[in-house]
Amino acid sequence: RKEVEQDPGPFNVPEGATVAFNCTYSNSASQSFFWYRQDCRKEPKLLMSVYSSGNEDGRFTAQLNRASQYISLLIRDSKLSDSATYLCAVKEGWGKFQFGAGTQVVVTP
Amino acid sequence: NAGVTQTPKFQVLKTGQSMTLQCAQDMNHEYMSWYRQDPGMGLRLIHYSVGAGITDQGEVPNGYNVSRSTTEDFPLRLLSAAPSQTSVYFCASSRTGTSGLNEQFFGPGTRLTVL
Repeated sequence: RKEVEQDPGPFNVPEGATVAFNCTYSNSASQSFFWYRQDCRKEPKLLMSVYSSGNEDGRFTAQLNRASQYISLLIRDSKLSDSATYLCAVKEGWGKFQFGAGTQVVVTP
Repeated sequence: NAGVTQTPKFQVLKTGQSMTLQCAQDMNHEYMSWYRQDPGMGLRLIHYSVGAGITDQGEVPNGYNVSRSTTEDFPLRLLSAAPSQTSVYFCASSRTGTSGLNEQFFGPGTRLTVL
């Protein structure tokens, strides 16, 4: 079983709609959590960190549920430019991160 | 700042050849990591370093060596290339911020093909 798991999708989302997806992690000692965005054949780029109380950055909302060991990402008012693969990352220790395989989101006109 | 740089961008090797993928960062980050990314597999950690002179193995270390003689550089060496090492390789660096939320910054990647 992978330590960090994501639904690979694709999530096909009409422009303007809301989409949400989760990422589960197995290590209860995980310290920090992040969402990254990766465009085709490019390097991952940080979308947002995930705080314990949840946090919002514009149209993006991230939540952390430590009891059930998952994080979530919600995208409101989806734009065509939101089409990408979203990777969750879990920091487990000094400098050590585990990544999920990514969730593909396709926003359609 | 250039951030994290990687060279080369593309490389084709024959089975059994060795080579070194270069990675450098100019952000004075303590932590550096190497990942490989294969279709459907996500990013898998090869090796990582928490500072100059300190390295440790990740999830898929076999066939790779690393060293960290300076804070800035973290080269990845393929000892005897195999077709199974065909992949995209990303180097990343991070530091510890005051909040502990020390995100990683990635280089542009090296696309390696082993024939």
